[in-house]
Amino acid sequence: KAGVTQTPRYLIKTRGQQVTLSCSPISGHRSVSWYQQTPGQGLQFLFEYFSETQRNKGNFPGRFSGRQFSNSRSEMNVSTLELGDSALYLCASSAQLAGGKSSYEQYFGPGTRLTVT
Amino acid sequence: TQLLEQSPQFLSIQEGENLTVYCNSSSVFSSLQWYRQEPGEGPVLLVTVVTGGEVKKLKRLTFQFGDARKDSSLHITAAQPGDTGLYLCAGAHSNSGYALNFGKGTSLLVTP
Repeated sequence: KAGVTQTPRYLIKTRGQQVTLSCSPISGHRSVSWYQQTPGQGLQFLFEYFSETQRNKGNFPGRFSGRQFSNSRSEMNVSTLELGDSALYLCASSAQLAGGKSSYEQYFGPGTRLTVT
Repeated sequence: TQLLEQSPQFLSIQEGENLTVYCNSSSVFSSLQWYRQEPGEGPVLLVTVVTGGEVKKLKRLTFQFGDARKDSSLHITAAQPGDTGLYLCAGAHSNSGYALNFGKGTSLLVTP
């Protein structure tokens, strides 16, 4: 099975711009989560989608948003970029367990390195 | 606020040495996972522990979940240069859905 893929891998944007990042989960995985990783804060949870619905949300401002499509692919958007948004953005997908619950085990993509200047 | 505290932050050892990395919290977790991340890549899942007191072995790596499900440790025997990387622990609460709480990680360097 192909792993989680993220595009683009690298991105340079200017303060005030917006950006859209894309994630394709492992085939058959319906849960997609997004994380922000910075040297100072480590990995922080942004949000999780399941069957096109946001199921969980972390403590980030409304400038960070996401969506999931019917094929489980997901996008996240950051509007009005700030210098502090420079980070590695990681997407992870999870499988379904028997009984309909998602597994806590998450499989990560390689990330998108966003630099805001 | 970091729910999970990892120690040490950095570790530099020589090939063949043993080491232990700790992951501590005041919270009880439904499950706890360990990941390893290499530069420029996403974290790779090593193991999941769910039962208090559980011990899992993965070749030279031994993972332990505390009895109270608040802490965990990772022990590496006879470390090799290929073990170099950032080791992350992550806990899940059953009442917070599938949002993982990550520690900041332990950066391990194993030199030949």
